[in-house]
Amino acid sequence: QVQLVQSGAEVKKPGASVKVSCKASGYTFTSYGISWVRQAPGQGLEWMGWISAYNGNTNYAQKLQGRVTMTTDTSTSTAYMELRSLRSDDTAVYYCAREDRSWYYFDYWGQGTLVTVSS
Amino acid sequence: DIRVTQSPSSLSASVGDRVTITCRSSQIINSYLNWYQQHPGKAPKLLIYAASNLQSGVPSRFSGSGSGTDFTLTISGLQPEDFATYYCQQSYHSPTFGQGTRLEIE
Repeated sequence: QVQLVQSGAEVKKPGASVKVSCKASGYTFTSYGISWVRQAPGQGLEWMGWISAYNGNTNYAQKLQGRVTMTTDTSTSTAYMELRSLRSDDTAVYYCAREDRSWYYFDYWGQGTLVTVSS
Repeated sequence: DIRVTQSPSSLSASVGDRVTITCRSSQIINSYLNWYQQHPGKAPKLLIYAASNLQSGVPSRFSGSGSGTDFTLTISGLQPEDFATYYCQQSYHSPTFGQGTRLEIE
């Protein structure tokens, strides 16, 4: 069965960086893209960007351009999301999600990783 | 960015009721509209994709309709496990989500 398993919770200081991992199993990793979506406490869902696991192409949300980098390691079927220059409003649960190739919906999600930014 | 406006933002209903949530996009997105359910502390779950297609394993009391700019999610015969927050999402261009509809027990 398809599974996306994310790394554990992180606490970071303002200005620091965080790197969250998302290990995929149960499907051919390079046949799908991975999107990252975050959710601030009590708030809605915000798409952060997408990476092709096939060729590493990326598409980032404009508001995060320059602060976010998404990568994949096909040898371990793992996707990564790094966010730099953290601010308090980056405190959120970060999700990875597999993206369908035709209609671009998110059919499988990781369990979420809480990133807390606090001094 | 394509804006997606969901209504209502909250909704009270009883077990067995039929409820409808609407979603409107700021431009034509054909059928690139998806619906998710989220319970507190859990990841979102895909219910409906491409406006009207039921995701495998999702009960048939959930249905979606619409195309262009106006879409609806209908739940017929609410069950206790359906009380959650629902989000629409357009996937026509860089994905954006509606603000969510919190469905509460009346």
